[in-house]
Amino acid sequence: DAGITQSPRHKVTETGTPVTLRCHQTENHRYMYWYRQDPGHGLRLIHYSYGVKDTDKGEVSDGYSVSRSKTEDFLLTLESATSSQTSVYFCAISESKGGGKTGANVLTFGAGSRLTVL
Amino acid sequence: GDSVTQMEGPVTLSEEAFLTINCTYTATGYPSLFWYVQYPGEGLQLLLKATKADDKGSNKGFEATYRKETTSFHLEKGSVQVSDSAVYFCALTLNYGGSQGNLIFGKGTKLSVKP
Repeated sequence: DAGITQSPRHKVTETGTPVTLRCHQTENHRYMYWYRQDPGHGLRLIHYSYGVKDTDKGEVSDGYSVSRSKTEDFLLTLESATSSQTSVYFCAISESKGGGKTGANVLTFGAGSRLTVL
Repeated sequence: GDSVTQMEGPVTLSEEAFLTINCTYTATGYPSLFWYVQYPGEGLQLLLKATKADDKGSNKGFEATYRKETTSFHLEKGSVQVSDSAVYFCALTLNYGGSQGNLIFGKGTKLSVKP
């Protein structure tokens, strides 16, 4: 997990409360991602960022918002948490988008944030 | 749509046994293929990758060959160790198009190796 820190690592909250997860990187990588991991689903992309203030939706973005005001920080917010958002959330970073002439996109992942919504 | 299908686990093996975890994919265009590994309590780590047909990725005794004709990228290891116990994810990225670079994961296969 060198260069990526997720906080909090564990959180228990109640339905309807707002939650913010933070991802902090020291690698100065342009791309940052939020995934959720659920049994039987593998990892699914929630949102990603390709620069400061530049973000886009992933496969399962409903109920989530993100912000990136600095290169090093990517925040994931659940405005009103629901039990279906109980999951393990992983942040990841990469230098480039990959593809084309730049080659394969290799992601480096954080250690994860376990969120339980009661 | 683009997807990855890998064999369901859990897979339980004895130490020094041969390992195969099957992975097939569906993709438009020519994807890059990956195996990531997740040890207990940790995030995912890249295990190996291949960027074009017939490429073989290898690392830590694990190997996988990009087979375009069978759209497969099976993970193999000749002799597993207890320390290989983990969850293994097959994944792809598209090299062109609107979703360029975004990783698409399989559901993961849990491997347990017994001494």
